[in-house]
Amino acid sequence: QKEVEQDPGPLSVPEGAIVSLNCTYSNSAFQYFMWYRQYSRKGPELLMYTYSSGNKEDGRFTAQVDKSSKYISLFIRDSQPSDSATYLCATCFTGANSKLTFGKGITLSVRP
Amino acid sequence: DAEITQSPRHKITETGRQVTLACHQTWNHNNMFWYRQDLGHGLRLIHYSYGVQDTNKGEVSDGYSVSRSNTEDLPLTLESAASSQTSVYFCASSGRLSNEQFFGPGTRLTVL
Repeated sequence: QKEVEQDPGPLSVPEGAIVSLNCTYSNSAFQYFMWYRQYSRKGPELLMYTYSSGNKEDGRFTAQVDKSSKYISLFIRDSQPSDSATYLCATCFTGANSKLTFGKGITLSVRP
Repeated sequence: DAEITQSPRHKITETGRQVTLACHQTWNHNNMFWYRQDLGHGLRLIHYSYGVQDTNKGEVSDGYSVSRSNTEDLPLTLESAASSQTSVYFCASSGRLSNEQFFGPGTRLTVL
């Protein structure tokens, strides 16, 4: 079993839809959880960063972590065509030099 | 503004040749990472460094090497390029006390 599993997609939604992107992880020692967004032919950029369980909101984006079920989610409200990208979840242990473990990424397309 | 750059952005080479991909960051980050990204595999860690003269192997290090002689640069060398090393390569960096990684724009390498 991979340490981080992500729904493979691709996912296509109409503009304005609520999008839910999900990952599961296997190691309960992971403490930091991140979502990266990667536009076509660009490098990944950090979108959301959470520590331990709970929700974090930033504009139309909400990151949710449920450590009891080892589940990570990213919700996008009022999705826009500009949200079309690949989204990668990532986790790591506590500690400044902890390496990131990435999911494979899911490609989202928001149709105008 | 601080940034992380990679060169070349595109490279075509032949099997058996030595290739070096450059990564340069002006964040003054201690930590630097090299990943490859392939369809179906996501981002996989090749090598990483936590400071000058420090290098470590990642999960897919065979056939690759790095050296860290200063804070700003972590060149990645393919000693004898193989077709299996055709991929998109990303360099990333993070600060000493942070797990947040900043990615470069990527190098698309084709080995014929």
